[in-house]
Amino acid sequence: DTEVTQTPKHLVMGMTNKKSLKCEQHMGHRAMYWYKQKAKKPPELMFVYSYEKLSINESVPSRFSPECPNSSLLNLHLHALQPEDSALYLCASSQKAAGQTDTQYFGPGTRLTVL
Amino acid sequence: KQEVTQIPAALSVPEGENLVLNCSFTDSAIYNLQWFRQDPGKGLTSLLLIQSSQREQTSGRLNASLDKSSGRSTLYIAASQPGDSATYLCAVSGSQSNQAGTALIFGKGTTLSVSS
Repeated sequence: DTEVTQTPKHLVMGMTNKKSLKCEQHMGHRAMYWYKQKAKKPPELMFVYSYEKLSINESVPSRFSPECPNSSLLNLHLHALQPEDSALYLCASSQKAAGQTDTQYFGPGTRLTVL
Repeated sequence: KQEVTQIPAALSVPEGENLVLNCSFTDSAIYNLQWFRQDPGKGLTSLLLIQSSQREQTSGRLNASLDKSSGRSTLYIAASQPGDSATYLCAVSGSQSNQAGTALIFGKGTTLSVSS
């Protein structure tokens, strides 16, 4: 099983709302990632967790707050977003920890619209 | 800073044709290169991963090659089918400038349309 699941599939929120995106994998992978993909653009890395610890933060605004409660779960908490944050948010995981690269498996993404 | 370029940006072919997608990268000190497929509005599906020490990988009708010294990779699709229509993304993993050697740097993709 090489499945990464993400919920919700779609999310519409106002600029004053607080919401969370959820990502889950049960492959025993040690690294998990958040990417942001704008329309007709390639994915851009936001955060990397390795062994449940944040190892990379690509200068992401503080209105995005990642959390890794356990080895299978990765959350992205959203607060006071801007309309330009509307995008497809992709979660990925890989078997090896950060610094030991291997195949990244992606979830289907959450389509976020900020009004 | 690593930059990944994919040519062409879009490609339309009739069913049955063999085709080649190109990917180039500026920093040859990569750990690996991965080819993905993305259908509209969907997530990414990993197609092939080539480690930096490898020259090529094959999976079914797909063959990916890597020439790290020249900073190039190609994805060869044999006997194309309408179901192959999608955007194909090339991504390189890590470089000496990347502290964790993990982040994927993506090209902008090639959008392939195969007509029946």
